[in-house]
Amino acid sequence: AQSVAQPEDQVNVAEGNPLTVKCTYSVSGNPYLFWYVQYPNRGLQFLLKYITGDNLVKGSYGFEAEFNKSQTSFHLKKPSALVSDSALYFCAVRALAGGYNKLIFGAGTRLAVHP
Amino acid sequence: GAGVSQSPRYKVAKRGQDVALRCDPISGHVSLFWYQQALGQGPEFLTYFQNEAQLDKSGLPSDRFFAERPEGSVSTLKIQRTQQEDSAVYLCASSRRGAGQTQYFGPGTRLLVL
Repeated sequence: AQSVAQPEDQVNVAEGNPLTVKCTYSVSGNPYLFWYVQYPNRGLQFLLKYITGDNLVKGSYGFEAEFNKSQTSFHLKKPSALVSDSALYFCAVRALAGGYNKLIFGAGTRLAVHP
Repeated sequence: GAGVSQSPRYKVAKRGQDVALRCDPISGHVSLFWYQQALGQGPEFLTYFQNEAQLDKSGLPSDRFFAERPEGSVSTLKIQRTQQEDSAVYLCASSRRGAGQTQYFGPGTRLLVL
């Protein structure tokens, strides 16, 4: 069965420092992987996705993620964190099903960026 | 252009009441998804529409949950005889058809059942 794990409930980082939010997945076949961000009382905002091609994917707001097939990971990264990046981050994988994107989400990681 | 919209944003229901949650997808998006997000959890899939056809309802937790999209645009998620465990945020997302397409989410409806 497909699954996603986000091993850290919360990540704390100082403004200006690099940040990493971890995600590992389990899926049979080629994975389609997504990162979303959720601000309070808001829906999910799409950050980036990996479908195929270059293992380093660049997305919105300066975020990027690296697909690592051997480690079954898709960690989210940003070279220099901003206080405004503080939010809840979700990793998701596409469940294999009839040609559409039924997404399976991790439990989320809360990112806190301190001034 | 306009994103996905949902209404109401907040709904308080007494246990046993029926509720209806509305989703307006992005214009032209063929695919529409409903997810349920419990407090402190990631969203969980409920059901999927391609145009007006409900192709997957495997995530609906009970037969009290019913979704429709009669004209292939607006969708309604209905919950009959609400229970306290139905309290959650209900998220709607839409996308173009096909694997790998990005889902765009609405702001959600926060349902509280007392």
